[in-house]
Amino acid sequence: AQTVTQSQPEMSVQEAETVTLSCTYDTSENNYYLFWYKQPPSRQMILVIRQEAYKQQNATENRFSVNFQKAAKSFSLKISDSQLGDTAMYFCAFMTEGKLIFGQGTELSVKP
Amino acid sequence: NAGVMQNPRHLVRRRGQEARLRCSPVKGHSHVYWYRQLPEEGLKFMVYLQKENIIDESGMPKERFSAEFPKEGPSILRIQQVVRGDSAAYFCASSPLLGQGGPEAFFGQGTRLTVV
Repeated sequence: AQTVTQSQPEMSVQEAETVTLSCTYDTSENNYYLFWYKQPPSRQMILVIRQEAYKQQNATENRFSVNFQKAAKSFSLKISDSQLGDTAMYFCAFMTEGKLIFGQGTELSVKP
Repeated sequence: NAGVMQNPRHLVRRRGQEARLRCSPVKGHSHVYWYRQLPEEGLKFMVYLQKENIIDESGMPKERFSAEFPKEGPSILRIQQVVRGDSAAYFCASSPLLGQGGPEAFFGQGTRLTVV
């Protein structure tokens, strides 16, 4: 069975600094997608970044980038130049057969 | 271009009543997914539907829960004889493509069900 593990329930970072959120997963599949979603207090699930497993190059979206280590089954999210608006729950997710398997989430607080 | 629309946003039901949650996918999307988020937890997959078909219901409780996505109209998640443990946020997502080749799922804002 596929599982996704986020080992950091809470993290905090000073505004303008960099923070890395960890995620590991377990699967026997070779081709798959990995995602990071952000859930602010409004509860809306917002896609932050997506990685295709067959691509070796790490995905980047503006201040957000991932460190994808396929052999280690690791998929961490780096947020650079953190902003107050980045405060939210962050969920790592694995897509299999169209459905998403989510981790437990990391609550990130950005402090002024 | 409207996103995924869920209603109601908040729903309060007494124990034993029925709850109906509605989801209108992004226009043109034919795949709908329902997820449940219990307090302090991540989202858990419940069911995956295409128009008029249930594709994967491996995450649905065996009793009291059902889902449909008719040819016309929104997808409905129905919970009969609700109990306090059903209190959660229920999210709907839609996607235009099947399986692993698909892009991201587009999420609605969720329905928060409270059973009193």
